[in-house]
Amino acid sequence: DADVTQTPRNRITKTGKRIMLECSQTKGHDRMYWYRQDPGLGLRLIYYSFDVKDINKGEISDGYSVSRQAQAKFSLSLESAIPNQTALYFCATSDRTALLYNEQFFGPGTRLTVL
Amino acid sequence: SQQGEEDPQALSIQEGENATMNCSYKTSINNLQWYRQNSGRGLVHLILIRSNEREKHSGRLRVTLDTSKKSSSLLITASRAADTASYFCATDVSNTGKLIFGQGTTLQVKP
Repeated sequence: DADVTQTPRNRITKTGKRIMLECSQTKGHDRMYWYRQDPGLGLRLIYYSFDVKDINKGEISDGYSVSRQAQAKFSLSLESAIPNQTALYFCATSDRTALLYNEQFFGPGTRLTVL
Repeated sequence: SQQGEEDPQALSIQEGENATMNCSYKTSINNLQWYRQNSGRGLVHLILIRSNEREKHSGRLRVTLDTSKKSSSLLITASRAADTASYFCATDVSNTGKLIFGQGTTLQVKP
């Protein structure tokens, strides 16, 4: 969905490096999410944010941190990258006013490789 | 742990045939959603069924929900090669605002 953008699209880094993945959206949604996808495991939730002042840990938050700089921006950081963080990372958004539905809109993903 | 378990993990059919995928879940839900993912790309929302609904249609898609069995199925009729993708169910768990995804079914439609 072009309304949700992620940068970079691909990143190769080394063990121990700090990296940041960025997500921006023009949909005006309050809620934003970070997932990682590993083969055979589907998507797992890392962090989610219901507004700028509300950030929550997801299923697999260890080794990650996030920052919600504005309604439209939600960044994911790996403080000290390790090889098992090699995965495909997705940002998603949803509309708080559609509370009963929670349809999520996904960015194109960032492929991260940690050597 | 994953909320949704999908079955089968992989499915290969001929163009024109129907494809059925199943999803089971564990806890109470507001709704259940199905998403599609083309290889290495972002997920795209296909259809949503609310917990008080039993069946829903959208074009060639038919979704059923059985809350007593905590299961759902996605039927794609008259499949096309362009339907080749991975399909994920996601449950909107009551009062959490989160979606929990299954592991997905990889569908290959042969021309």
